[in-house]
Amino acid sequence: DTGVSQNPRHKITKRGQNVTFRCDPISEHNRLYWYRQTLGQGPEFLTYFQNEAQLEKSRLLSDRFSAERPKGSFSTLEIQRTEQGDSAMYLCASSLAGLGGYTFGSGTRLTVV
Amino acid sequence: AQTVTQSQPEMSVQEAETVTLSCTYDTSESDYYLFWYKQPPSRQMILVIRQEAYKQQNATENRFSVNFQKAAKSFSLKISDSQLGDAAMYFCAYRSRRDTGTASKLTFGTGTRLQVTL
Repeated sequence: DTGVSQNPRHKITKRGQNVTFRCDPISEHNRLYWYRQTLGQGPEFLTYFQNEAQLEKSRLLSDRFSAERPKGSFSTLEIQRTEQGDSAMYLCASSLAGLGGYTFGSGTRLTVV
Repeated sequence: AQTVTQSQPEMSVQEAETVTLSCTYDTSESDYYLFWYKQPPSRQMILVIRQEAYKQQNATENRFSVNFQKAAKSFSLKISDSQLGDAAMYFCAYRSRRDTGTASKLTFGTGTRLQVTL
């Protein structure tokens, strides 16, 4: 197992365009989390899945954001009509329910110009 | 809601010396986990050390140890024999032991950038 994989590593997009990120968790992990990290800040929780069910969404996740985890494996995070304020690093993490620790991916850095 | 505060934006330590990074947190819960994560320029969050609140003994992982003061809600990280590879952002994080809903999320501090000098 190669850990949590995120693609792409970097994404530059023009304001108003849609972008999609992908996260492949550790295969036996049933939970998957998305976090957003802006410069100089710690990561902030966006949403999480247990298997294919999206169980919680932060108020940070506006209507322009949508996340999916079909079949309880990989997950995608889509941002529609991107704004400059969406520029951040988007981190994915996975874990097993009932255990305390997470494994993080390397993140996708989004720049909206 | 839980909050995590790291009051040291930057710290510097000489190679082979010891440094302590501070973290305080606020919670009304009695059972939780605390973590220190390291984020090098490669960006991947790496777990350094973990502490369960019900355990009185401070966690230790090789050169890394914590000073967990539950009553004071303090959770500091001590790095002994600092190495150049320790240079990174360090984040303190809190997680409830409850495993339902957003209780399972991590709440992070704003981080401390550690520089290691020769």
